[in-house]
Amino acid sequence: NAGVTQTPKFRVLKTGQSMTLLCAQDMNHEYMYWYRQDPGMGLRLIHYSVGEGTTAKGEVPDGYNVSRLKKQNFLLGLESAAPSQTSVYFCASSYATGDVNQPQHFGDGTRLSIL
Amino acid sequence: RKEVEQDPGPFNVPEGATVAFNCTYSNSASQSFFWYRQDCRKEPKLLMSVYSSGNEDGRFTAQLNRASQYISLLIRDSKLSDSATYLCVVNLGGATNKLIFGTGTLLAVQP
Repeated sequence: NAGVTQTPKFRVLKTGQSMTLLCAQDMNHEYMYWYRQDPGMGLRLIHYSVGEGTTAKGEVPDGYNVSRLKKQNFLLGLESAAPSQTSVYFCASSYATGDVNQPQHFGDGTRLSIL
Repeated sequence: RKEVEQDPGPFNVPEGATVAFNCTYSNSASQSFFWYRQDCRKEPKLLMSVYSSGNEDGRFTAQLNRASQYISLLIRDSKLSDSATYLCVVNLGGATNKLIFGTGTLLAVQP
């Protein structure tokens, strides 16, 4: 199984450009998440989804949009990239069993630089 | 105050040493607790869940003290391959399985 796959792995953008990060999971997980990780800070939740067609804001949603048109895919969009969005982005997924001990499974990250 | 606080380290220890990491969390309603491991420039991976009764997985022992809102991880007989950042993670429960991450503690095991 591939698990959680993120594309692209690396990207450099100019300020004001737009792009979409793709997350795909093949574990039939209901829940999916987008995080960003910056030096000296823990992973911070950007947006999440508890099922196909539903999304919700996390801790740091400004400047990002998401869509979950298919259960296996969760897209993160930057409409007008800013240098403050330079970060490492991780996607994660998990089952929705009601078991709070359910772990999240992570993709290997997208390193995004905004110039 | 951060919701999950950890000593960032680095902890530099020789091979074979025993090392302990601590973590505190601020929300008393937190439901579940984990230690994740993150290698340099890699994704976080679940190391172990942490249960109130304490739990052990080989050389790793995790403890939870709900009264003090304190979590610990003990690594015995450190290996070079244990070098990584260890993330303390808390699940607040509810219907979304959202996790709160500490900033991590860096461990460097020296030969």
